[in-house]
Amino acid sequence: EAGVTQFPSHSVIEKGQTVTLRCDPISGHDNLYWYRRVMGKEIKFLLHFVKESKQDESGMPNNRFLAERTGGTYSTLKVQPAELEDSGVYFCASSHLPPREKLFFGSGTQLSVL
Amino acid sequence: DAKTTQPNSMESNEEEPVHLPCNHSTISGTDYIHWYRQLPSQGPEYVIHGLTSNVNNRMASLAIAEDRKSSTLILHRATLRDAAVYYCIQGTDTGNQFYFGTGTSLTVIP
Repeated sequence: EAGVTQFPSHSVIEKGQTVTLRCDPISGHDNLYWYRRVMGKEIKFLLHFVKESKQDESGMPNNRFLAERTGGTYSTLKVQPAELEDSGVYFCASSHLPPREKLFFGSGTQLSVL
Repeated sequence: DAKTTQPNSMESNEEEPVHLPCNHSTISGTDYIHWYRQLPSQGPEYVIHGLTSNVNNRMASLAIAEDRKSSTLILHRATLRDAAVYYCIQGTDTGNQFYFGTGTSLTVIP
């Protein structure tokens, strides 16, 4: 069974450009999460989807970030325009049951904004 | 600020037990305690979780203090493959948000 896959694994862009990160959760997992770790900080929650609906987006830093989950399958996270402080590692995770049980994480996307 | 605090790093000899501590003094009565670990170039991987009672699985044991303000992850026999960053996480009852600590980098000495 395939795990959570994220694409790209690395992205280097200039300030002001747009970047879209993609996450394919484990098949059948209704819950999908985005987390990120920026330089020197702990990993922090961004948002949570249940199927195609945003359950909680309280962790989204500002309106330059837009997350979507088409048809309740894969998800994208767009940053537009990117700023220097957006650099970090963006993780996607999915779970079938409520995540107090277990969360499956992808390997992350390393985003560098120059 | 992180809701959990952990030592930055620890060392253990191979095949010896390892006790990784975590403080979560602001935990509420319904928050779960989770432990995940992260190997280089990978995402966090589930280790164990619990609420009040001590928990055991094939990977590790979780000892939770009676007041729930601290917990200890126990690896019974450390192997070289256990070298990783171990995160202690406070999870909300609804389960939708994990609050990660800064992690403990475990080095296993052959």
